[in-house]
Parts: sequence; C-alpha cells; structure tokens
Amino acid sequence: DIQMTQSPSVLSASVGDRVTLNCKASQNINKYLNWYQQKLGEAPKLLIYNTNNLQTGIPSRFSGSGSGTDYTLTISSLQPEDVATYFCFQHNSWPLTFGSGTKLEIK
Amino acid sequence: EVQLVESGGGLVQPGRSLKLSCAASGFTFSNYYMAWVRQAPKKGLEWVATISTSGSRTYYPDSVKGRFTISRDNAKSSLYLQMNSLKSEDTATYYCARQGAGVDYWGQGVMVTVSS
Repeated sequence: DIQMTQSPSVLSASVGDRVTLNCKASQNINKYLNWYQQKLGEAPKLLIYNTNNLQTGIPSRFSGSGSGTDYTLTISSLQPEDVATYFCFQHNSWPLTFGSGTKLEIK
Repeated sequence: EVQLVESGGGLVQPGRSLKLSCAASGFTFSNYYMAWVRQAPKKGLEWVATISTSGSRTYYPDSVKGRFTISRDNAKSSLYLQMNSLKSEDTATYYCARQGAGVDYWGQGVMVTVSS
C-alpha cells in the first residue's frame, strides 16, 4: 500500500501569509494526487486534482505542484475562510489512500 | 449541480449488518465510477470501496474486504454499501463520492455507529 505522509500536522499562519502544505508518498504516484479542504462539520471539498489542476469554483490563491513522491499545496495569501483541515489523496494505485491531514489555523 | 444524498445510517450492534444508500443527481450516473469513503470521529479519511460504471468491477481495502459489498443501480442513479459483520472500528461517517479525477464530489455523509 502507498503511505501518504503530510507535514506539518498543524500549521498556524497570519492572514495574508503564503502557506505551503506538504505531502509525501511512499512511492511514485505519477502526479495522481488530489488535495481536499474539510471545514469543521462539513464534507471534504476538492481543491486540486492531478497535482496542479484547480477544481472549478476554487479561488486562484490555491495551487498545487509536485512530481514523483513529493507534492505541495500552496495558498498564496491566506484568508480567514481557509481555516480547515487539508488532506492529500493518491489515486494512482489500489488501495486508494489519504494523508492524515494538516490542520490550518489563523494566528 | 451534482448532488449525492446518503441514507440508511444509524446505531447497530457488533456483528450485525447495515445497508447504506446514495441517491445521485445532476450528472450522468452511469458514466462514472462511484465510491464510499469513511471518516471515524475526529480522524482522517479512509477509502472504503469503488465500483466501475457497469458494476462489473469492485475494489476494496483489506480492512473491509469480504465484509462490505458495493453495488449500484444505474437505472435508479443509486449507489449502495452492504456492510456485514460490523465491528466497533467501522464506526464513522460514510460519504458517497463520485470518482472523477480521483474523488471529485462528496455527499454530506451518514453516520454509522457500531456499539452494543
């Protein structure tokens, strides 16, 4: 099974900061990497699919990059509504697996 | 607008069975793989099952293989999850999900509690 490791587990930043979240796969996942945002009490929402494709309706301050085993989600200017837990997810091979999440807080 | 509405959750005793349903609308259901994903209380996300467009292929992680069965009815735009031999560790919110590029749309989830 492919293990997905996210770092940091908790991130505290100020409004307007550039924020980077990391996700490392235990083997090459060929850019089949998605990012989801989950706000408290809500279902997850797709932000980025296949490493760097912005889902329809998602603000352009969100972007993704990476290849091989290492991937990042960047928020160019953190907004108060971005407080949430962010999960990465590989769909390169079965079983599909999620990272354990990064909880993003506002300082 | 894509909508996925789960039903069938509740409290069930260990070892018993439960069947979840998901009603889909806003897209051509028969064109998409569909999946179930769960989230234990205050925990992360775990993929539970996927079914192909025709239903001929299914996929499961080892944690549920042999106990859970995913199925679909394309005529009714509905997805199902039959859960047998339930364990306390199956307690979670279960999300119905469309598998586009990975998982692209999620339902609001239904809670399943396995407890005596």
